[in-house]
Amino acid sequence: DSGVTQTPKHLITATGQRVTLRCSPRSGDLSVYWYQQSLDQGLQFLIQYYNGEERAKGNILERFSAQQFPDLHSELNLSSLELGDSALYFCASSVDLNEQFFGPGTRLTVL
Amino acid sequence: AQSVSQHNHHVILSEAASLELGCNYSYGGTVNLFWYVQYPGQHLQLLLKYFSGDPLVKGIKGFEAEFIKSKFSFNLRKPSVQWSDTAEYFCAARGGSGTYKYIFGTGTRLKVLA
Repeated sequence: DSGVTQTPKHLITATGQRVTLRCSPRSGDLSVYWYQQSLDQGLQFLIQYYNGEERAKGNILERFSAQQFPDLHSELNLSSLELGDSALYFCASSVDLNEQFFGPGTRLTVL
Repeated sequence: AQSVSQHNHHVILSEAASLELGCNYSYGGTVNLFWYVQYPGQHLQLLLKYFSGDPLVKGIKGFEAEFIKSKFSFNLRKPSVQWSDTAEYFCAARGGSGTYKYIFGTGTRLKVLA
């Protein structure tokens, strides 16, 4: 157990819908990272927040957005879902830049 | 463009065989390098990391990696694999100081036959 929690574990939805994935970082970690893992593209960095502020942006689509709240939990919002958005979405947290601790992931299936 | 390449997508070995997984990176300037492992049904966890100093880095579970700057490589090695090493292995890189964006390779699925 890494100490990072993600909910829900599984999510099945239809194209065009909007979903919210939630991540609670390890106690004391100020940074939260979001990743998308798909079969054909591996682990893709989406976005990073540090203490509520966006710090780095990767290959995140405009249909996706994220935020980190004052209690440091983070949410990833995915809208206008497409079949290709089906993937595992991981959250990671860190206290510094040395090591990220990953959550168990949310498996999103878009039908 | 910054990138991390893992050329072996699938590797099958017998127990006690030696392992070497390739990782090449493309980064300008200082780079920090990582290997993460994802065991079946589990979350990714850090195996080892290189920031500076001795280019031969030792990690958990008998794994080691060598940073060869001239070859832009950070290959993962283990002298004798076990069935329990069956997992997916990811190489990752981050630009040095002040850079927060990590780039992961596409991963190598290792299957160790008992």
